[in-house]
Formats: sequence, C-alpha cells, structure tokens
Amino acid sequence: QVQFVQSGAEVKKPGASVKVSCKASGYTFTNYPLHWVRQAPGQSLEWMAWINPNDGNTKYSQKFQDRVTITRDTSASTAYMELSSLRSEDTAVYYCARDWYGTLQHWGQGTLVTVSS
Amino acid sequence: EIVMTQSPATLSVSPGERATLSCWASQSVGSNLAWYQQKPGQAPRLLIYGPSTRATGIPARFSGSGSGTEFTLTISSLQSEDFAVYYCQQYNNWPPYTFGQGTKLEIK
Repeated sequence: QVQFVQSGAEVKKPGASVKVSCKASGYTFTNYPLHWVRQAPGQSLEWMAWINPNDGNTKYSQKFQDRVTITRDTSASTAYMELSSLRSEDTAVYYCARDWYGTLQHWGQGTLVTVSS
Repeated sequence: EIVMTQSPATLSVSPGERATLSCWASQSVGSNLAWYQQKPGQAPRLLIYGPSTRATGIPARFSGSGSGTEFTLTISSLQSEDFAVYYCQQYNNWPPYTFGQGTKLEIK
C-alpha cells in the first residue's frame, strides 16, 4: 500500500532553516509527482510546492518562491522540503502528498514545525 | 490566483440527516475540483474529484456536483464518523493549487 513517512517534529528559532523529509513506499517513486502543503494551527491548507521525482522539475507558490527548496533522492525514494528564514508565522504542520491528476491522493502523517525564540 | 470560498463555515446536522456543503471559485475551474475530509490530528483524505467521482474506498453516501465556479458536496444520511472539516481544492490553474477555508461539520 502507498505510504509516506515524514521526519519528526522540529523546533527552530526565527531566521533558521528546516528540512523535512518524506519517504515513500508501496509504489514506484518516480512515477508520481509530490506536493508539499502546510497547515497553520486552526487554519486551512496552503499549497507550497510540487516536484516531479522523475526529472527533479519543481514548481513553487510565489508566496514561498524565495524561501523554499524541494529536492528528491530517487535512490532513497525520499523527497525533501527545506524552508529558510523561518518566522513565527511558519509554525505549522507540513505535509507531503502524492499527486494523482492534480488531486492529492495520498498524504504523509505531517511534520510539526514550531518557530519560537 | 484562484480564490476558493466555502459556505457555511460551520454546519450543524443531526446523524442520519443530509448535509450540503458549498464551494465557489473566483473564476472557472472547469471540472478540476476536489473535496477532502480532515479529522482532528489527521492528514486530509481525498473524498471526491472531477468533481463527482468518489476516490477509492469512499462510501456512496458522499456525492459531488457542479462545474465552472459552483460546486456542492452532499453527504446523505450522516454517520458519526462523517463529522469533520471538509475542504475544496481547485487544480485547474496552478501554481498555486488553492483550497477553501473549510466547512466544519458538527453534530447537532
């Protein structure tokens, strides 16, 4: 079965960077794009970025364009999301999700990133 | 960027009754609209896409309709496990994908 295991919760200080991993299993990693979505406490879902694991092509939300980098390691079936210049407003649960014709079909369990001085 | 608006913010319905949730897009998204269910402490789950096709394993009491800018999610005969937050998402014009602010379905 399709499964994603994300890295554990992080606590970071303002200005720092965080790198969240998303390990895929149960399917061929390079066959499906992956998305990154975040959810601040009590808020809706916010799309951040997309990667095609086959060729590494990425697309980003303009809101995060300058601060987010999505990469992948095909040998490890793992995608990474790095967010820099963290501020308190970046406190959120970060999810990876597998694309299926534009929908987010399978989701990771989420990674809580807390930004606090 | 396409703005998605959901109504109502909170919907109180008794078990066994029907719930109707609405979602509007600021411009046409064609049929490229999906619905997700999210329970506390869990990741969202894909319910409906296209906008009337149920995802794998989703019960028939969930149905979606609409096109262009107006969409509806209907849950007939609510079960206890259906009380959750529901989000719509457009995947027609991106980046970025955009979500509505959510409708919380609560027990009356």
